[in-house]
Amino acid sequence: AQKVTQAQTEISVVEKEDVTLDCVYETRDTTYYLFWYKQPPSGELVFLIRRNSFDEQNEISGRYSWNFQKSTSSFNFTITASQVVDSAVYFCALRGFTGNQFYFGTGTSLTVIP
Amino acid sequence: GAGVSQSPSNKVTEKGKDVELRCDPISGHTALYWYRQSLGQGLEFLIYFQGNSAPDKSGLPSDRFSAERTGGSVSTLTIQRTQQEDSAVYLCASSLVGGASGSTDTQYFGPGTRLTVL
Repeated sequence: AQKVTQAQTEISVVEKEDVTLDCVYETRDTTYYLFWYKQPPSGELVFLIRRNSFDEQNEISGRYSWNFQKSTSSFNFTITASQVVDSAVYFCALRGFTGNQFYFGTGTSLTVIP
Repeated sequence: GAGVSQSPSNKVTEKGKDVELRCDPISGHTALYWYRQSLGQGLEFLIYFQGNSAPDKSGLPSDRFSAERTGGSVSTLTIQRTQQEDSAVYLCASSLVGGASGSTDTQYFGPGTRLTVL
């Protein structure tokens, strides 16, 4: 089965705190692709990152970082020194090697309190 | 450059009426996806188009839903005899190439059409 689980439904943090959004996936493919998207209150999903299953290097982009752990089937997303503008719903997604479909988690709603 | 556009942004209709939702993908993108997002839920895959290939319709919830893509560009999602449970935001996404091993499969989303069925 292809599945993405985002167990955290809602998270609230105070501005400048660090926060980690969890993503756990299931796939039968040995090659697969993982994504994170941000959906701000305006509603339009914004692409954040794409990761191949054969590249386990962690990635940092400014205040954002991603920790890909194949051993635990997780692709967690950390925001350092959170800001109010980070408030949004964040979706993790999976695409298997052989399919066209993307499998999205149910999203984590992050609220950053000033 | 221009992103994915969708129209209308909001649509209110009465139960039993047909609706058409439109998606203009990014120019040059051969793959196009439709998703449905119900309130507080994740994205539910509906249909996928890739170039001139037969579309993957495996996500369409019933035969009241159909979609077409003319000339490999603009797509229209049609819902016939709408029901209240069809109320949702309908999202369209496009990618350079679908099913690819490189980053050309990354999807870019439109702003969505919020459909309300009374």
